[in-house]
Amino acid sequence: DVKVTQSSRYLVKRTGEKVFLECVQDMDHENMFWYRQDPGLGLRLIYFSYDVKMKEKGDIPEGYSVSREKKERFSLILESASTNQTSMYLCASSWGGGYTFGSGTRLTVV
Amino acid sequence: GDSVTQMEGPVTLSEEAFLTINCTYTATGYPSLFWYVQYPGEGLQLLLKATKADDKGSNKGFEATYRKETTSFHLEKGSVQVSDSAVYFCALSRLAGKSTFGDGTTLTVKP
Repeated sequence: DVKVTQSSRYLVKRTGEKVFLECVQDMDHENMFWYRQDPGLGLRLIYFSYDVKMKEKGDIPEGYSVSREKKERFSLILESASTNQTSMYLCASSWGGGYTFGSGTRLTVV
Repeated sequence: GDSVTQMEGPVTLSEEAFLTINCTYTATGYPSLFWYVQYPGEGLQLLLKATKADDKGSNKGFEATYRKETTSFHLEKGSVQVSDSAVYFCALSRLAGKSTFGDGTTLTVKP
C-alpha cells in the first residue's frame, strides 16, 4: 500500500515562527497536495505540485509556500505563523485521480 | 467550475439501519468520482471509486453508482455498524489529478 507520512501529528508553535510541515510518499507519485481542514469549511487546497520543483497555488496560498526538491517529499512552509493558521493540515499524493492522505498534522499557533 | 454537493449532516442512525448519503456533482466531461472516509483524528481514506458512467464502486459493504443522467454518486450501506461512525466525503477528479471535495457528512451510529 502507498504510504504518505507526515512528520508530526501535533505541533505547537509561537506567532511569528517559521514552520515547516514535512510530507513523504513512498510510491513514486508525481502529484502531491497540501490541504487545510477547518470545522465548517471543509477541505481547502493550499498548494499542489505535479512534478519536482514545480508548484501551483491552490485556493488559499496566502501566508504559505512549498518546496519540492525531491519527488517523494513535499514541504509546506508557514513563513510567519499566525493564530489564524491554527488548523489540521493534510498532505496527499495522487495516482491519477484518487488520493492517498497522510494522517494529518494538527498545528496550534499560540 | 467543478463542484460537489453532499447532503447536510449530521446523520444519526441505529445499528443495522440502512444508510444513504446523497452526493451530486457539477462538472463538464467525465470526471472520476470517489468517496472518502475520515475517522476521528485521522486523515481521509479512500473508500470506493468509479471512473465512468454506470460503474458501481464497492468496499466494506458500502456501494455507490456513477449516474451521469442525474449527476449523482450516492453512498449506500445496507446495515451500518457503530464502527462506521465517521465523516464521509464525496469528491470528483480529473486526469490532471486535482480533486474537488464536498463539505463532508458526519455519520453517528448508535448501538
